[in-house]
Amino acid sequence: GAVVSQHPSRVICKSGTSVKIECRSLDFQATTMFWYRQFPKQSLMLMATSNEGSKATYEQGVEKDKFLINHASLTLSTLTVTSAHPEDSSFYICSASSSNTFLMNTEAFFGQGTRLTVV
Amino acid sequence: AQSVTQPDIHITVSEGASLELRCNYSYGATPYLFWYVQSPGQGLQLLLKYFSGDTLVQGIKGFEAEFKRSQSSFNLRKPSVHWSDAAEYFCAVGPPTQAGTALIFGKGTTLSVSS
Repeated sequence: GAVVSQHPSRVICKSGTSVKIECRSLDFQATTMFWYRQFPKQSLMLMATSNEGSKATYEQGVEKDKFLINHASLTLSTLTVTSAHPEDSSFYICSASSSNTFLMNTEAFFGQGTRLTVV
Repeated sequence: AQSVTQPDIHITVSEGASLELRCNYSYGATPYLFWYVQSPGQGLQLLLKYFSGDTLVQGIKGFEAEFKRSQSSFNLRKPSVHWSDAAEYFCAVGPPTQAGTALIFGKGTTLSVSS
C-alpha cells in the first residue's frame, strides 16, 4: 500500500516556541491531507483538511493561527504549532488521500504520528 | 448527524479465545467502513475495509468484519486472539462518493489479552 511518512515521531519543545511537523506521501500524490489530534485514551479528532495549493479548512474550535497548515506540494504537508503551550501536548497524526486512487476504492493512508510534549 | 459508536471502551479476553468488537454507525448513505489498530505511541494500521460486495471482509492478522446494513453495524471478529493483538482498535467511516473527505472515528476499544 501507499506510504505516508510523518516526521518527527517525537518532539519536546519549550513553552512559547514553535514546532513544525511534516507529513509526506512517499509513493503517491496526495491531493488531500488531513491532520488529526489524539488525546490520551481518546479517538482521533480532525483538526483540518488541506488540499494542495489551497488554504486549509479548519474544524470548528481549531485555532487556525495557532495550527498553521501548509500543503504546498502534492507530496508534503506541514503542521506548525505556533507559540506552543503545555495544553498543546498531544499526539498528532496526518493522513493523505489521492483523488485518483479513491476511485479505486482506497483509503486514506496514515502517518506514524508525532508525540508533541511542551514543557 | 454522522457518527460512529464503539460501545465497549475496554475488553479483556483470554489468549486463544474468540473476539468481537462492536461498531455501529449513523450515516446518510452506506459509507465506506474501516477498522484500524493502534499500538501505544504508534500510528494507525488498517486491518480491513468494506466498500461494497461481499459483506464479510477478511483483513490482516486473521481479522474479519461483517457489514450488516439492517443493523448499521460493522463488527470486527477474530477466532483466536494472540497476546500481540492487545492494542487500541478504531472503527471509522468515510463517504462513499466524495474524495478528499476525512474519516469519522469511533472512540476506540482497548483490547487487553490475558494469559
